[in-house]
Amino acid sequence: GQNIDQPTEMTATEGAIVQINCTYQTSGFNGLFWYQQHAGEAPTFLSYNVLDGLEEKGRFSSFLSRSKGYSYLLLKELQMKDSASYLCAVHPGGGNKLTFGTGTQLKVEL
Amino acid sequence: EAQVTQNPRYLITVTGKKLTVTCSQNMNHEYMSWYRQDPGLGLRQIYYSMNVEVTDKGDVPEGYKVSRKEKRNFPLILESPSPNQTSLYFCASSLEGTSKEQYFGPGTRLTVT
Repeated sequence: GQNIDQPTEMTATEGAIVQINCTYQTSGFNGLFWYQQHAGEAPTFLSYNVLDGLEEKGRFSSFLSRSKGYSYLLLKELQMKDSASYLCAVHPGGGNKLTFGTGTQLKVEL
Repeated sequence: EAQVTQNPRYLITVTGKKLTVTCSQNMNHEYMSWYRQDPGLGLRQIYYSMNVEVTDKGDVPEGYKVSRKEKRNFPLILESPSPNQTSLYFCASSLEGTSKEQYFGPGTRLTVT
């Protein structure tokens, strides 16, 4: 089976930096996604990693280590609007399924 | 405007009454997928489709059917809904399977009594 772990909740301060971790144990690996989901809304794409290393996109960066089964999403210069759930999803390969973690609820405070 | 649409957005129904949730995308995407989202369980994939007439099971397909007769449409069918299918349902599409970002529809909140 596939297992993806993320912290359930995190709290951070406006203007700060926060790192949201994701660990996975899957039957294979063909890529890892991060999505953002605001309450009551649909998920929206943030990043995609298939090779080891850091991908930077504005205030958001995502890191992948395939040997460790580990990824993180780094959010810099936090804003109140970053309060949302962050979903880690893995494509285990051998088909076109996508398996999501349960998400990390981030609360940004003043 | 590029988008994925779902209908209805909200539905309350009774056990055993067949229903269909429609999903349509206007981006000429090959891949379409259905998910359900439940508190504490996250998003779980129900079915997906790589192209017209090509569908496959996700992680939780029991109690659901799908069809892909046209590229733009991917309806989700519940032949005999049960209360454990009460959930928030999302349709999504992407250009090329799971190596590309998925675009999600606005969601359908289904309650089965």
